[in-house]
Order: sequence, then C-alpha cells, then structure tokens
Amino acid sequence: SQKIEQNSEALNIQEGKTATLTCNYTNYSPAYLQWYRQDPGRGPVFLLLIRENEKEKRKERLKVTFDTTLKQSLFHITASQPADSATYLCALDNSNSGYALNFGKGTSLLVTP
Amino acid sequence: DAGVIQSPRHEVTEMGQEVTLRCKPISGHNSLFWYRQTMMRGLELLIYFNNNVPIDDSGMPEDRFSAKMPNASFSTLKIQPSEPRDSAVYFCASSFAGGAYEQYFGPGTRLTVT
Repeated sequence: SQKIEQNSEALNIQEGKTATLTCNYTNYSPAYLQWYRQDPGRGPVFLLLIRENEKEKRKERLKVTFDTTLKQSLFHITASQPADSATYLCALDNSNSGYALNFGKGTSLLVTP
Repeated sequence: DAGVIQSPRHEVTEMGQEVTLRCKPISGHNSLFWYRQTMMRGLELLIYFNNNVPIDDSGMPEDRFSAKMPNASFSTLKIQPSEPRDSAVYFCASSFAGGAYEQYFGPGTRLTVT
C-alpha cells in the first residue's frame, strides 16, 4: 500500500541555521508533491508544489527537492527564525483520486533563539 | 475572500447523537475535500467532490458517515450515530480542479464525542 513517511521526532534547531525535513514515500509514482505548514489549532497552509520533472523549487527562504529515484523530498528552511516553528506536512497526489492528496503525519520544527 | 469557512468550530456531543459539520468553500473553487486529523492517524482524506459530485468516498470510515454538496458553495459531513472514536478535528479544503493545485484549508471543527 502507499506510504508516506516523515520523521516523527521533533526537529530542534538554533535560529539562523538551516532546517532540513525529509519526506519518503513508497509504492507511489506521484506526479507532484506539496509541502504545507500547520500551526496549532489551525488548518494546514500551502507552501510549495514541485512536479515530478522538477528537481528543485525555491520560494524566498524555502527550498524543496524531489528525487523520484530515491522516492524522497527534502524541505529546507534557510536562516531559520522562531516564527518558522510549526509542523510541516508533505503531501502526494492520490493515485486513486487524481486531484486528492495523501498527507504524511508531519514533522514538528522548533527554532530556538 | 474570507477563505474556507467551517462551522461549528467546536462540537461536543454524546455518543449516539447525530453530528453535522458544515463547510463553505472559496468562491470559484470547484473541488472540495473533507479530511479528519488525529494524532494517531494524521490527516486522512474522507471524501472529495468535483463540481459538486462525489468522486472518491473510499476514505469514509463507515456507513455512519455521509457527505453532501447540494451546491457549489456548501457542503455537509454528517455522522449518525456518533461514537467516541469519531473524536478528531475535521477539516474542509477547497481548490481548483484539473491539475496540481494547492488546497486551501478551513480552520477545522474539533469534535468530541463522549
């Protein structure tokens, strides 16, 4: 069955460093992959989308890579700030439902001053 | 636009009662999704609609769950009868259809069934 794995352990880093979060998947051939941010008590908020034929995408301090051979996406936040503290979810297109998404369980990021 | 609107924000009910959750998607979006989020299982897709038509309801856990979208600006998710294991946060999201578009989530409804 299709599986999306994100590190369940929280990632603690110091302000100013680069945070790197990992999303691995199995039994999938996604056409695209998305990353969302979720703050406590709120719904997820879209950050970036990367397609299968793109290796890297950037938006301000965010960078996403997509390696379809390794079946892995890396999400980087450079010059991290305490305001970046949140849970980050990766999502893949649902092979059964076309436009729907399957989400990983997310990784919690804590950036300390 | 006000974004995706969900009501109620919190619902506490007793086991066996009927629960109805409501969602108003972003105007112009023609795909609507219902998700459930728990610590154990994460964010799970329950059902999604395209142009008001249910496309995939394979995530609906049981016959106790039903969803409708009578028009482009309103959807409901109903649980009847509710059980304690239904306690979760239920999210509605909307997007454009037809490709790789981001989804816009509502604030969620926190359901507690006692």
